Amino acid sequence: NAGVTQTPKFRILKIGQSMTLQCAQDMNHNYMYWYRQDPGMGLKLIYYSVGAGITDKGEVPNGYNVSRSTTEDFPLRLELAAPSQTSVYFCASSTTGLNTEAFFGQGTRLTVV
Amino acid sequence: QKEVEQDPGPLSVPEGAIVSLNCTYSNSAFQYFMWYRQYSRKGPELLMYTYSSGNKEDGRFTAQVDKSSKYISLFIRDSQPSDSATYLCAINMEYGNKLVFGAGTILRVKS
Repeated sequence: NAGVTQTPKFRILKIGQSMTLQCAQDMNHNYMYWYRQDPGMGLKLIYYSVGAGITDKGEVPNGYNVSRSTTEDFPLRLELAAPSQTSVYFCASSTTGLNTEAFFGQGTRLTVV
Repeated sequence: QKEVEQDPGPLSVPEGAIVSLNCTYSNSAFQYFMWYRQYSRKGPELLMYTYSSGNKEDGRFTAQVDKSSKYISLFIRDSQPSDSATYLCAINMEYGNKLVFGAGTILRVKS
């Protein structure tokens, strides 16, 4: 099993550009999550999904969109990138929610200039 | 007031030392308590998990929860250079899908 795979690992965007961060898991987990991690701030939940076709906002959803068409994939879309979106983005998955172990990807380091 | 407070460190200790990492939380509805370890440029991985007050031990690691004080701790005995990482506490409600993370404490164990 590869676990949770995120692509790309690094990306530099110009202000106003758009991009999609890819996330795929091969553990057949129903729950998937997107977090951002800023220095000294812990992880903040952006969006999550409890199954294919179902998504919901987390703490910091503004400026992001998600979709979940399959169990395996949970892409995060950034529209009109802003410097405030410079961060490390982590995708995670779990079996039945966050009271079970969440498995994280390696992260995507995004810089908006 | 933040829901979870954690001293970001960095905390630097010699090899073999006992390390104490701590978090406080504000919401008494939190019932699930976890510690994640994150190596540099990697994703977090679950280290310890508990849902009750008291101690839980796993090898050199002990997680302690005091719900009356809203205080959780992670103790590392005989610390090793390989323990150098960021340790994040994470707390959840009984049926919540929102795992609240502390800021993370950077630990450096010197050989």
